Amino acid sequence: DTGVSQNPRHKITKRGQNVTFRCDPISEHNRLYWYRQTLGQGPEFLTYFQNEAQLEKSRLLSDRFSAERPKGSFSTLEIQRTEQGDSAMYLCASWLAGYNEQFFGPGTRLTVL
Amino acid sequence: KNEVEQSPQNLTAQEGVFITINCSYSVGISALHWLQQHPGGGIVSLFMLSSGKKKHGRLIATINIQEKHSSLHITASHPRDSAVYICAVYNTDKLIFGTGTRLQVFP
Repeated sequence: DTGVSQNPRHKITKRGQNVTFRCDPISEHNRLYWYRQTLGQGPEFLTYFQNEAQLEKSRLLSDRFSAERPKGSFSTLEIQRTEQGDSAMYLCASWLAGYNEQFFGPGTRLTVL
Repeated sequence: KNEVEQSPQNLTAQEGVFITINCSYSVGISALHWLQQHPGGGIVSLFMLSSGKKKHGRLIATINIQEKHSSLHITASHPRDSAVYICAVYNTDKLIFGTGTRLQVFP
């Protein structure tokens, strides 16, 4: 257990539905990252927060994706109008600035039918 | 061409052998991570290094900054080492990942 939790662990949804995932980082960590991993590939960067500010978004993050970290603690990632191509593992990681090490959550596996 | 390349993609070994996984990168980095991912998805950090060599138990990681290359070595491999090993580099505050090396160690 790395101290980073993600919920739900698994989500099955029908195409066109909206889904929301939650990540609870290690409490004193000021940076929070979201990644997406498809089968057989390494994770890909989606976005990251420093405290409550979203500092960078990948071009992978279409306008159907939105992420928030309202109080600089937990974060949510919402996907609107899901598509089959959104099926993937969504990973969250937290990082204390000044330490070059990220701690990963267990991931949320999304299946879009 | 990917910014982080790993080789081999798949590796099968018998218990007890010495294993090497290689990682080459083409971008500037501040540090390099070796990560382990088991079936089910959980990722665990094995090493973070920016120069030289680190050792933890049967695992050794080396990096050559000038050649933009890192290696992960497993001595006396064991079936419980079976996992996907991922190299990731820190570039402008985010990680760029390789595609991973799937290792299977048989008794």
